[in-house]
Amino acid sequence: DQQVKQNSPSLSVQEGRISILNCDYTNSMFDYFLWYKKYPAEGPTFLISISSIKDKNEDGRFTVFLNKSAKHLSLHIVPSQPGDSAVYFCAASGPGNQFYFGTGTSLTVIP
Amino acid sequence: DGGITQSPKYLFRKEGQNVTLSCEQNLNHDAMYWYRQDPGQGLRLIYYSQIVNDFQKGDIAEGYSVSREKKESFPLTVTSAQKNPTAFYLCASWVTGSNQPQHFGDGTRLSIL
Repeated sequence: DQQVKQNSPSLSVQEGRISILNCDYTNSMFDYFLWYKKYPAEGPTFLISISSIKDKNEDGRFTVFLNKSAKHLSLHIVPSQPGDSAVYFCAASGPGNQFYFGTGTSLTVIP
Repeated sequence: DGGITQSPKYLFRKEGQNVTLSCEQNLNHDAMYWYRQDPGQGLRLIYYSQIVNDFQKGDIAEGYSVSREKKESFPLTVTSAQKNPTAFYLCASWVTGSNQPQHFGDGTRLSIL
């Protein structure tokens, strides 16, 4: 059973516009959420994270929003750049020592 | 520079053959993980280890085996019992209980000859 879901397999955005990637989770015990960026044939690289005690975390062009009541998080990229084109995975962890990953969203930023 | 090294980057397996994927980290992380990535399925956990000489099965452990004889090393063996081994394998490490991200290696692509 998939505990972390990314329902949009792909997203295309014009350069300079906002990219919004969404993620839903089912386990209310999750307390740490992350976004990773991945290029083909490479390992995921950490992008940004948020603890469940916060509802927003910002790092430059990247902002993660957490809505605990809806069990939903989103990643906003503003402005989007062609170099942002990659697959983005959301992940979550809780009291155990496991991380649960979504299936990824492939972002294409069109110049 | 600290990091995780996976080798080889590409590996080919013959039918009935066991192969071992290497994962070494110099981040001094206590926990290490193996994931499998298939198209459209995200990362699925195969095995993980929180301390030396101890490891736990993940969601898809059948057909795989691991060892953790040293803190820095967590090799994964894909046995002949794994009937669909073609995938991209990722190793990760983490400081147990921390609010820090997992760090990943660059992966090994395993294919069947």
